[in-house]
Amino acid sequence: QKEVEQDPGPLSVPEGAIVSLNCTYSNSAFQYFMWYRQYSRKGPELLMYTYSSGNKEDGRFTAQVDKSSKYISLFIRDSQPSDSATYLCAMTSAGNEKLTFGTGTRLTIIP
Amino acid sequence: GAVVSQHPSWVICKSGTSVKIECRSLDFQATTMFWYRQFPKQSLMLMATSNEGSKATYEQGVEKDKFLINHASLTLSTLTVTSAHPEDSSFYICSARVYGGAADTQYFGPGTRLTVL
Repeated sequence: QKEVEQDPGPLSVPEGAIVSLNCTYSNSAFQYFMWYRQYSRKGPELLMYTYSSGNKEDGRFTAQVDKSSKYISLFIRDSQPSDSATYLCAMTSAGNEKLTFGTGTRLTIIP
Repeated sequence: GAVVSQHPSWVICKSGTSVKIECRSLDFQATTMFWYRQFPKQSLMLMATSNEGSKATYEQGVEKDKFLINHASLTLSTLTVTSAHPEDSSFYICSARVYGGAADTQYFGPGTRLTVL
């Protein structure tokens, strides 16, 4: 079993829809959670960083962490065609400089 | 802030030659940088951790003599692919660790696409 599971998609939704991206993990030591967005042939871009359980909002993006269920989510409201990309979840534990990544979800927003 | 650059963005070379890729942190000092490799439609694979002034730590299965890493300053790490072969063709991405505050995490460069003929 992988430490981090993420549905690879592809996921296609119409413009304006709410998108839900999810990752589950098995390592209870993970404390820091990140979401990266990667456009084709580009490096990953940090979107959200969370530490505690609960929600964190930044513009159209909301990151949710449920440590009891070992489940994290990224919600995108009012999705735009420019949101079409691969979204990677990543996480790490205290004192560990390495990140453990999910496989990434390919998202396409249809105009 | 936290901008990481890579050079070149793409390179084509002949089999048997060596290629150097530079990774720079532009607006901060990075004592720790990371090198990743990514195949099409796959996630990132960590190759090595690069610490300024010391030898890099390679992940299991990564050939140290083939992928030479040098982190000579707080803003520059280089990856040299020696005696490159077609199977080394890939997308190489570096990242730099940003410490402390609300985002003790990694910021990534734009990547370098290597094609070995």
